[in-house]
Amino acid sequence: EAQVTQNPRYLITVTGKKLTVTCSQNMNHEYMSWYRQDPGLGLRQIYYSMNVEVTDKGDVPEGYKVSRKEKRNFPLILESPSPNQTSLYFCASSLSSQGTQPQHFGDGTRLSIL
Amino acid sequence: AQSVTQPDIHITVSEGASLELRCNYSYGATPYLFWYVQSPGQGLQLLLKYFSGDTLVQGIKGFEAEFKRSQSSFNLRKPSVHWSDAAEYFCAVGAFSGGYQKVTFGTGTKLQVIP
Repeated sequence: EAQVTQNPRYLITVTGKKLTVTCSQNMNHEYMSWYRQDPGLGLRQIYYSMNVEVTDKGDVPEGYKVSRKEKRNFPLILESPSPNQTSLYFCASSLSSQGTQPQHFGDGTRLSIL
Repeated sequence: AQSVTQPDIHITVSEGASLELRCNYSYGATPYLFWYVQSPGQGLQLLLKYFSGDTLVQGIKGFEAEFKRSQSSFNLRKPSVHWSDAAEYFCAVGAFSGGYQKVTFGTGTKLQVIP
């Protein structure tokens, strides 16, 4: 089954404790992206990757890091989480970086930073 | 830069009634337009997309949307709503920006369906 898998689905942690949210897709997609969803703000792009070893900042990259060492994986790293990063996070992938391709989304990761 | 406006934060309709969710976009050229649906606890699922051609687009679950260039709109419609349509709906516009797909999402419209 074609899917985007995120882990964990839920996480409560404390300020400053490094965490990683994993994202994996099994569709051989080139393009992957991370979004955060906050009430009243919709989805905002954090980082994206057009292919292996090619990543770039989205609209709200501060406080986040990513890597793309393999085509299927695109982890999101919070080196020193802060309470303002409490949010619902989505990973998405699409066949290519061309604007015609719809994105496939994971089920989301709800992070609470205390 | 492109932008998307969904003016209705929350809409309530009766089961069996018709539905129209509004979406207005801003972009200098013809955009790529999408509607996604998010059910509680799940990710976004594509309902339909418009790239070119026929301005009336059919999607899954009985939804359709009409692209109106003169009004910069891409409203989502369904003739008869089912209780299972209760969800949050996002309009999105995709456009080329520096050679990649820059997708901008609206803030969403939450649909409540009452019996």
